[in-house]
This record gives sequence, structure tokens and C-alpha cells, in this order.
Amino acid sequence: NAGVTQTPKFQVLKTGQSMTLQCAQDMNHEYMSWYRQDPGMGLRLIHYSVGAGITDQGEVPNGYNVSRSTTEDFPLRLLSAAPSQTSVYFCASSRLRNTEAFFGQGTRLTVV
Amino acid sequence: KQEVTQIPAALSVPEGENLVLNCSFTDSAIYNLQWFRQDPGKGLTSLLLIQSSQREQTSGRLNASLDKSSGRSTLYIAASQPGDSATYLCAVQTGANSKLTFGKGITLSVRP
Repeated sequence: NAGVTQTPKFQVLKTGQSMTLQCAQDMNHEYMSWYRQDPGMGLRLIHYSVGAGITDQGEVPNGYNVSRSTTEDFPLRLLSAAPSQTSVYFCASSRLRNTEAFFGQGTRLTVV
Repeated sequence: KQEVTQIPAALSVPEGENLVLNCSFTDSAIYNLQWFRQDPGKGLTSLLLIQSSQREQTSGRLNASLDKSSGRSTLYIAASQPGDSATYLCAVQTGANSKLTFGKGITLSVRP
């Protein structure tokens, strides 16, 4: 059972480039979310989805897009990378409400 | 707005000591509270999930308690080992969107 899989594990981008961080889960979870983790800031919610075709913004959504075409996949797109987006990104999934959240291993992104 | 606080930010103890990690939150209207472990450069591993109606949960040497009315949770680690060295995060789940709000974590070092 793979759980939550994130790719790539590491990425370096130049300012202005775009890219997609991939997240897939094989637990048939309805709820998926993206967080970024920065020193001194903790984990902050970027976007989340409560099911296929439904997405919404979290605390820090600017500069990021998401879509949820299937239950399994929840990619995060950086439209025009900025140095402020240098961070570690985590994808998580759970069944809706009151259930345990499972996290991927993270993507460490550096924007130069 | 829900805020989660974990103090102190770092803790160093000798091997074998029993220890308590604290977590406090400002809004008692939570669905659950979850404790995670994060090793350096790794993702988050779920340790214990306490539902809002529960008082405590146990797993091996770990025991987590929840006092929702006072906005507090503790993670008790019995007979600590060097392998317990990691960052411990607590998170509360609130709202219709199942959002997780995280504390900034406590970095634990267990000295041999």
C-alpha cells in the first residue's frame, strides 16, 4: 500500500518558470490538501479538495493552482515561480472529517 | 481564527526519561487532534488521533490526552530512547472543510 506519493522529491526552478508538483493517493480518500512548511512558520494550508471536481483555497493560495479530475490525483501548479515559493511542500489525504490524515514525503523546492 | 501553540520549541532529555509534550489551541470547537512525528528531511507520520469526544489514546509507549474545554493536549512518551529524537507536531481539525491547523512543533533530542 503506497499511501500518499509525491513527485519530485527535489526541484530547483528559476524565477518565472512554471511547474507541477504531483500528488497521488491509493486509499480512496475524498479529502486531499497541499501544505507548505517554512522555518518558523509551521505548516500552512495552500489549497484543498473535498472530492473530484471540487477545490478551494486555504491560507496561502496566491501563486498556486490546483485541480482534482480524479479521486486519486491532486496536482499543485506553480504558475510563475518566485523566490518566496522556496519551501517544502506536503500533500495530505484523509477520509472526510474526523479521520486520520496521511502525508506524503514532501517536495523540497528551491526557486533561484 | 484557530491558533495552535507548542512550547518549548526544543527539548533535550537523557535516555530513559519519561516526558510530556504540550499543545494548546484557542478554539475548542474541534473535530479531533492529531499528533505527528517528523524526522529531518522527511514527511509527517501520524502517531495518535484523539476524537473530540475522547479523553486519551494510547499506542505503545505513547499516550495522548485531550482536554477540549481548556484547549490543551499532552503527548506522554514513556522511557524515552534516542530513536524518539524528532520533531513532534500537533494539529487540530476544525470546520466543514476538515482543515488542519498545526503548531510549529517541538524538536526533541534524547541523549544516549
